[in-house]
Amino acid sequence: ILNVEQSPQSLHVQEGDSTNFTCSFPSSNFYALHWYRWETAKSPEALFVMTLNGDEKKKGRISATLNTKEGYSYLYIKGSQPEDSATYLCALNRDDKIIFGKGTRLHILP
Amino acid sequence: DSGVTQTPKHLITATGQRVTLRCSPRSGDLSVYWYQQSLDQGLQFLIQYYNGEERAKGNILERFSAQQFPDLHSELNLSSLELGDSALYFCASSHGPFGDTQYFGPGTRLTVL
Repeated sequence: ILNVEQSPQSLHVQEGDSTNFTCSFPSSNFYALHWYRWETAKSPEALFVMTLNGDEKKKGRISATLNTKEGYSYLYIKGSQPEDSATYLCALNRDDKIIFGKGTRLHILP
Repeated sequence: DSGVTQTPKHLITATGQRVTLRCSPRSGDLSVYWYQQSLDQGLQFLIQYYNGEERAKGNILERFSAQQFPDLHSELNLSSLELGDSALYFCASSHGPFGDTQYFGPGTRLTVL
């Protein structure tokens, strides 16, 4: 059974602080790793697609890194803002299927 | 607005019935993906079509089927519905066959009574 694990499940962060969370996946047959931001009552919104070992991507205050050999990706948020409150999902894209983690629920405290 | 449209937004039906969910991808996108999100599970990948052909298959039940038409819109057919099929069904689209950014539609909420 292929599992994509995300940790922590839930995180409370003070506004202005930086934070990071992890996505772990089996490294065989890897094709791409997707990160999504999912706000309550909305649809998942793509943040990054990462394909190469050592990839680093950045979008404003959010960045991500990828290590395909050891099977993990980190998502970083710098200077958290209230609008960052959401669930962050990662998904492993193999050639034959897409497997989602259960997400990290981020709460930003004022 | 992602540019992906799904109809209907909500659907309420009875056990044993059959329903069809519809998805129109973003202009220029050739891939359509279907996902299911139930209360007790995360997002589950069901199936992907690329340019009219089935490309990848996930946890799709035999009672469910999908197709992608020449105009690239897609339909997901759910038959012999059971209570456990109640879920939010998302469609997403991307340009290429795999590994591209996926854009999600607003979802169809299916309730089976």
